[in-house]
Amino acid sequence: KQEVTQIPAALSVPEGENLVLNCSFTDSAIYNLQWFRQDPGKGLTSLLLIQSSQREQTSGRLNASLDKSSGRSTLYIAASQPGDSATYLCAVRPIGAGTALIFGKGTTLSVSS
Amino acid sequence: GAVVSQHPSWVICKSGTSVKIECRSLDFQATTMFWYRQFPKQSLMLMATSNEGSKATYEQGVEKDKFLINHASLTLSTLTVTSAHPEDSSFYICSAVVERIGGYTFGSGTRLTVV
Repeated sequence: KQEVTQIPAALSVPEGENLVLNCSFTDSAIYNLQWFRQDPGKGLTSLLLIQSSQREQTSGRLNASLDKSSGRSTLYIAASQPGDSATYLCAVRPIGAGTALIFGKGTTLSVSS
Repeated sequence: GAVVSQHPSWVICKSGTSVKIECRSLDFQATTMFWYRQFPKQSLMLMATSNEGSKATYEQGVEKDKFLINHASLTLSTLTVTSAHPEDSSFYICSAVVERIGGYTFGSGTRLTVV
């Protein structure tokens, strides 16, 4: 059974720091991996989608890597800002049609000014 | 692109009444829709998977008679919480696969409060 783990559960940093959020999964047979952001009381916003054949994806200050064989992904946030404060969720899509994402429990990030 | 519109964003209802939540895919066809609930400071819990034109598949422990899911078209899925009770108060979110990219998109969520 696929399990997704995110470390750390919470992180507090001062503005301007570069930071790394970690995600690991137990079964390397995945279709893709997606990073989301969730603000309190809101839905999920997709940040980056990495297909199983890809190694990384970049969007602005965000960079996500995927090492499928070792079951790891990282989300790198450069020059963090207070507006980055949110919960970040990692989710894997299992192989197979009509399957739901499997989520980690998230990392809650707080960036202070 | 690939937007799922979810309504209402919040609703307060009296105990014993029913509430319907709608999710519409605006610019793509959602063959499959997933429904989640989320308690404060917890991750999403999958409730059910619905496929257009067929009955929903519920996760273990989810009462299918309480949480009625209808997916009558490729752009609309609804979740009806029947005979709501205070313990049904939660945040409900829908999600759909965007097949052209292989990723998932989520609605903005519905905060349900049963009083």
